[in-house]
Amino acid sequence: DARVTQTPRDKVTEMGQEVTMRCQPILGHNTVFWYRQTMMQGLELLAYFRNRAPLDDSGMPKDRFSAEMPDATLATLKIQPSEPRDSAVYFCASVGEGHTEAFFGQGTRLTVV
Amino acid sequence: KQEVTQIPAALSVPEGENLVLNCSFTDSAIYNLQWFRQDPGKGLTSLLLIQSSQREQTSGRLNASLDKSSGRSTLYIAASQPGDSATYLCAVTNAGNMLTFGGGTRLMVKP
Repeated sequence: DARVTQTPRDKVTEMGQEVTMRCQPILGHNTVFWYRQTMMQGLELLAYFRNRAPLDDSGMPKDRFSAEMPDATLATLKIQPSEPRDSAVYFCASVGEGHTEAFFGQGTRLTVV
Repeated sequence: KQEVTQIPAALSVPEGENLVLNCSFTDSAIYNLQWFRQDPGKGLTSLLLIQSSQREQTSGRLNASLDKSSGRSTLYIAASQPGDSATYLCAVTNAGNMLTFGGGTRLMVKP
């Protein structure tokens, strides 16, 4: 079943808590993206990896966000400490070799109260 | 820096109409352009992918064209149906596999 899997689907947490979101890209895909979507800003690129190496994380607030790919089957996005303004839907997408089609996960809806 | 713009931001049409959604980009050095559909509260579903060497792609009632030199793409939807109501986003791939999105067009097809 070739799809991008994100967990958790929904997360409600208190301000100041650590949040970890996970993404399993499609097997064999070597480029992984993290996006954040809000009503006001639309889709914002936070970070992306190619062959597990970070290529661009300029869209990510470095003081509280971190993104990693511990192995080819897992990408993580961590927020510590979380703030109410981080409330959004976070999407992961993966792309195979050769500028092919991008596939998105169903997203993680994060609410920070 | 690549910038992608979609016009109009919102569109409401009666069922059965043919319609065109527009996407423009500032840097023509793209590898491909992709159109997505997003339903409320859902993820993005890929509709069509046009490689930079191609002029158009078709899938059912959807036809996407690409004019790379002028930095434009259109998504044509024939005989629109209420089930086509969704937000449509275009995205371009540049060097380094960077994927840049437009702001989307919110489409409402009224029965």
